Amino acid sequence: DAGVIQSPRHEVTEMGQEVTLRCKPISGHDYLFWYRQTMMRGLELLIYFNNNVPIDDSGMPEDRFSAKMPNASFSTLKIQPSEPRDSAVYFCASSLGAIVNTEAFFGQGTRLTVV
Amino acid sequence: SQQGEEDPQALSIQEGENATMNCSYKTSINNLQWYRQNSGRGLVHLILIRSNEREKHSGRLRVTLDTSKKSSSLLITASRAADTASYFCATALYGNKLVFGAGTILRVKS
Repeated sequence: DAGVIQSPRHEVTEMGQEVTLRCKPISGHDYLFWYRQTMMRGLELLIYFNNNVPIDDSGMPEDRFSAKMPNASFSTLKIQPSEPRDSAVYFCASSLGAIVNTEAFFGQGTRLTVV
Repeated sequence: SQQGEEDPQALSIQEGENATMNCSYKTSINNLQWYRQNSGRGLVHLILIRSNEREKHSGRLRVTLDTSKKSSSLLITASRAADTASYFCATALYGNKLVFGAGTILRVKS
């Protein structure tokens, strides 16, 4: 398996624009997580899905952020409208089973810059 | 807020030396995991230790867990330049959340 695949790797956008980040989890994994990493706040869990269903979105910072998982092999994280403070590296991760029992596999991340 | 806090924040050692990183956490956990992140890359899982385990080994890695003190340590023996990276502890909380600490930046000089 190629691992967790994220696209794009880098995204530069202007404030106010819509940004869509994409993730393909490892085939067969039933949990998917979105994290955001910044120097100030470290790694923050934004939302996670189980079998394509959002379970906990308490980490989503604002209504400008939304995430979907239309099927087992694809998830998106959308920011609309984007702001400079959204600049960060966004990671997608997946796991086979609950994280209380196993490890997470991370993608390479999307570095988002909002100017 | 972050669950785990690593200590030290940064560590610089010579190749061949051992590196020890510590992690403290606040609430009850199901397991504790250590990850490595090379600059500009994603996180890679290193080792998982369950709450009922006290020590675990994997190659040159040794992890200990003391639930009474809510702390864990990661020991890398005979370090190599390729071990240069950031190391994070992450606690798996009930409710299926994996919460990361701030990380330790390790630099191994050759």
